Amino acid sequence: DVQLVESGGGFVQPGGSLRLSCEASGFTFSSYSVNWVRQAPGKGLEWLSFISPSSVTIYYADSVKGRFSISRDNAKNSLYLQMNNLRVEDTALYYCARMYSSGWDYFDFWGQGTVVTVSS
Amino acid sequence: DIQMTQSPSTLSASVGDRVNISCRASQTIGNRLAWFQKKLGKAPKVLIFKSSTVHSGVPLRFSGSGSGTEFTLTISSLQPDDFATYYCQQYSAYATFGQGTKVEVK
Repeated sequence: DVQLVESGGGFVQPGGSLRLSCEASGFTFSSYSVNWVRQAPGKGLEWLSFISPSSVTIYYADSVKGRFSISRDNAKNSLYLQMNNLRVEDTALYYCARMYSSGWDYFDFWGQGTVVTVSS
Repeated sequence: DIQMTQSPSTLSASVGDRVNISCRASQTIGNRLAWFQKKLGKAPKVLIFKSSTVHSGVPLRFSGSGSGTEFTLTISSLQPDDFATYYCQQYSAYATFGQGTKVEVK
């Protein structure tokens, strides 16, 4: 079965940094594009970032461009999100989500998420 | 950015009811529209992609229709497991989501 398990969330002060991880299993990770998506308390889902199978193509939402960095290690079946200069409004449940193909497509599997709280 | 607007925000229904949820895109997206089900504490689960294709393993009581800017998710006969929040999402230009429709017990 396809599984995506996020980790690395926690409590951090404004301006701080955090690195999220997503460990994949049950499929050939190196063949799929993957993404980060978040949901702030009481708000809707927000797509954050995309990375292609070989890391050649990367996209970011404007809200995180310049502060967040997506990366992957196919040998470890893992996806990462380095989050710097965190703001109170980055408080959310962060999901990793696989795309159906190696390109831009729909999200076919999601993890259960990891919680990030940014507060002073 | 393409904005996605869902209606209604909340829908009260009973087991066995036929349920329709609407989603409107601020500009045409062809058929690049997916529908997700979300339950508290669980991962979002895709139901429909390409507007009307049912994802593997999803019960056939779920169906989708529409193209361009107007889309509909239909549950033909609501089951107890279907009380949840439903989101539409476009993937024509990056990805944006509707605000969600909570299906609750009437």
